[in-house]
Parts: sequence; C-alpha cells; structure tokens
Amino acid sequence: QKEVEQDPGPLSVPEGAIVSLNCTYSNSAFQYFMWYRQYSRKGPELLMYTYSSGNKEDGRFTAQVDKSSKYISLFIRDSQPSDSATYLCAMSEGNAGKSTFGDGTTLTVKP
Amino acid sequence: DTAVSQTPKYLVTQMGNDKSIKCEQNLGHDTMYWYKQDSKKFLKIMFSYNNKELIINETVPNRFSPKSPDKAHLNLHINSLELGDSAVYFCASSLTDTEAFFGQGTRLTVV
Repeated sequence: QKEVEQDPGPLSVPEGAIVSLNCTYSNSAFQYFMWYRQYSRKGPELLMYTYSSGNKEDGRFTAQVDKSSKYISLFIRDSQPSDSATYLCAMSEGNAGKSTFGDGTTLTVKP
Repeated sequence: DTAVSQTPKYLVTQMGNDKSIKCEQNLGHDTMYWYKQDSKKFLKIMFSYNNKELIINETVPNRFSPKSPDKAHLNLHINSLELGDSAVYFCASSLTDTEAFFGQGTRLTVV
C-alpha cells in the first residue's frame, strides 16, 4: 500500500465549477501538507502548504487537512481554463526535506 | 533569472551509455534533491543533499551517482543506461521542509 493515495482522475469540469482534489495517507508522522501544480512539460510548483490540521485559503484555492481522518483536500473555486494542469499532493514529516508525493490528478477546465 | 536550472532539457541515448545531468540553483538553499517522474506522473525522490552531504538515498540502483561540488550544484551521473531509466528527472531545492522549487526537468529517453 502506498503511503499517499490520490484520487486518480482525470477530471474534466466546465469553467466556473468548483473542483475538489483529494488525498489520503497512512503515515501519522506527516506534519506538512503541500499541493503542487504541474503544467505539461514543466516542473511542479508549490500552490499551498499547511502545517497540521486546519484550513488555509489563498484566493480561489482552499487547502484542508484533517489529520484525524488522514485526509487532505484542495478546493478550487470559479475554476478557469488556466487551472488545467496536474495537481500533486505531497507530505513531509518535517525531517531532512523529504516529501512523499501522490500520483497526481489531471484537471481539465473547459471554456 | 531561473531559480533552479538543469541541463540538458532533453536527452536521447542508447542503452549501455553513461550520461550526466547537471543542476544549479541560485536561491541560496542548503538542500537539493533529485526526483524521478515516470510516465504515469508518479514523482519519487531519489537523493537529497544538505550542504553537499548526502542525507537521503532512496532505493536507487548503484548506477545512479549524485555529486555535489558545492551547495548550489547537484549533478546526477547515470552509468550503463537501461530502457527502464527513461523518465523525466527533476532537480529541486528547498530552504525549509515545506516548499521545494523544481527545475524544468530533463526528459531522458533510452533507446
């Protein structure tokens, strides 16, 4: 069993839709929870990170962490075609910078 | 200025050859990484260096050898290339355990 499982996708939504991307994990020692966005043929770039449980909002993006359920989510409101990319969740215990990534969910937002 | 730059961007080579990928970061970060992303977009850490010292070495064949001449550079040398080594290799750097900055990737194709 993988340490981090991510909803596989692909996901296709109309412009303006609310998107929910989700990951579950098994390692209780994870403390830092990140979401990366990767455009085609580019490197991943950090969207948001959260320490421990709770919510964090940044513009149209909201990250949620529920450590009791070992479940994290990324919500995208008013989705735009420019949001079309692969989204990767990542988690870290906070030691030596090692992050474990989910498999990624490819999102397409249609105009 | 590119924060994390890696060369070459594309590499096509025959089985059995030896090749190197170079990485440089100008962010002043102490920690650098090599990740491998397979065709299914799964991103897996290979190595992590902190201040030129190897701190993470995941289960990677001995044919892969990282070298860090200084903390701004982390190169990856691969001996006796195999078909299964075909993937995109990403270099990354970080200051903290949360945010990693990725290069654009090197798409390696072994024929």
